[in-house]
Amino acid sequence: EDQVTQSPEALRLQEGESSSLNCSYTVSGLRGLFWYRQDPGKGPEFLFTLYSAGEEKEKERLKATLTKKESFLHITAPKPEDSATYLCAVQARAGGTSYGKLTFGQGTILTVHP
Amino acid sequence: DTAVSQTPKYLVTQMGNDKSIKCEQNLGHDTMYWYKQDSKKFLKIMFSYNNKELIINETVPNRFSPKSPDKAHLNLHINSLELGDSAVYFCASSHRGGGFREQFFGPGTRLTVL
Repeated sequence: EDQVTQSPEALRLQEGESSSLNCSYTVSGLRGLFWYRQDPGKGPEFLFTLYSAGEEKEKERLKATLTKKESFLHITAPKPEDSATYLCAVQARAGGTSYGKLTFGQGTILTVHP
Repeated sequence: DTAVSQTPKYLVTQMGNDKSIKCEQNLGHDTMYWYKQDSKKFLKIMFSYNNKELIINETVPNRFSPKSPDKAHLNLHINSLELGDSAVYFCASSHRGGGFREQFFGPGTRLTVL
């Protein structure tokens, strides 16, 4: 069974204090690893898809990286508006009953203080 | 310009009642999903439809019945509601082509069963 574990569960940063969020996964053939941002009372907002080990993607202050066992979401010089829950999800290769299924981690709650 | 919309946003009802949640997407996607987010914020897939055909059916009580009248709509009907059904339900959509790309989520429906 596919599994995703995110750490830490919660992270408090001062504005400008860079850090990383971790997503460890086990999956029977990785199709893709997805990062989402979720604000309170809203649906998850898509950030990145990573497909193979060594791949990196960036968007503003966020950079996502992928290895064969984990992914990191690096946040450089965060601002208060980056405060949210960050969710990681994996998708196994299509086939059988797993078509398109995303398996999510429990999320990391990021709080950035001014 | 709402991409994935859900109605209602809040639903409060008594145990034993039957209720429905509607979802519509205007992204031109061919695959739609229902996810349940529990009190611990874990997002878990329930169902997926591709071009009105059920392709994912996780271990969900048969009181839950999805219906897809066309590929832009996916509704969720719940019979005989129980206290444990209280959660936030999210609809999502994606393209199947290319191996199920990133999923885009609706704003969620918070269901409270009293």
